[in-house]
Amino acid sequence: GQSLEQPSEVTAVEGAIVQINCTYQTSGFYGLSWYQQHDGGAPTFLSYNALDGLEETGRFSSFLSRSDSYGYLLLQELQMKDSASYFCAVRDRASGAGSYQLTFGKGTKLSVIP
Amino acid sequence: NAGVTQTPKFRILKIGQSMTLQCAQDMNHNYMYWYRQDPGMGLKLIYYSVGAGITDKGEVPNGYNVSRSTTEDFPLRLELAAPSQTSVYFCASSSEDRYYGYTFGSGTRLTVV
Repeated sequence: GQSLEQPSEVTAVEGAIVQINCTYQTSGFYGLSWYQQHDGGAPTFLSYNALDGLEETGRFSSFLSRSDSYGYLLLQELQMKDSASYFCAVRDRASGAGSYQLTFGKGTKLSVIP
Repeated sequence: NAGVTQTPKFRILKIGQSMTLQCAQDMNHNYMYWYRQDPGMGLKLIYYSVGAGITDKGEVPNGYNVSRSTTEDFPLRLELAAPSQTSVYFCASSSEDRYYGYTFGSGTRLTVV
């Protein structure tokens, strides 16, 4: 089966940079996604990595190392509105070649303080 | 463009009652999913569908049923509600070429008492 590990909580200062790590164990691997969820809200898609390296989207970047079964989400120039939970998610061969469901980690609650 | 619409937003059920959570999407996505989210536990897949008439079980299907008669609609049925089904339920959809980028509905907060 699949398992994903990410820290449960992270606190960072407004304007700073924070990195949220995710390690995974799967029987096969296609890619790593990241989602953001504000309290009481729905998850929203942030980024996806299928290949090793860094993907940048504005203030957010996501990194993947397939050989290390590891990825991270990097948030720069933190703003108060970035306070939310962040989930990593994987699709792997255990899900079935014809299916597209993701397995989500338990989430990291990010608190941005002034 | 409404995206994924879930109804109701809140519901309180008594033990043993049944209900249907509605989910509709207007993006012509083939893939649809039902997840439940318990505090601190992330999202767990209940059922999913890869197209009209095709459904399959996820990680936690017991106590639930689904149907997919059209591309747009994917209702989730709870039979004989139990306190363990108290949770927030999210419906999501994705396209085949962007399967990793789910669009989620706003959720249904269900309490079973």
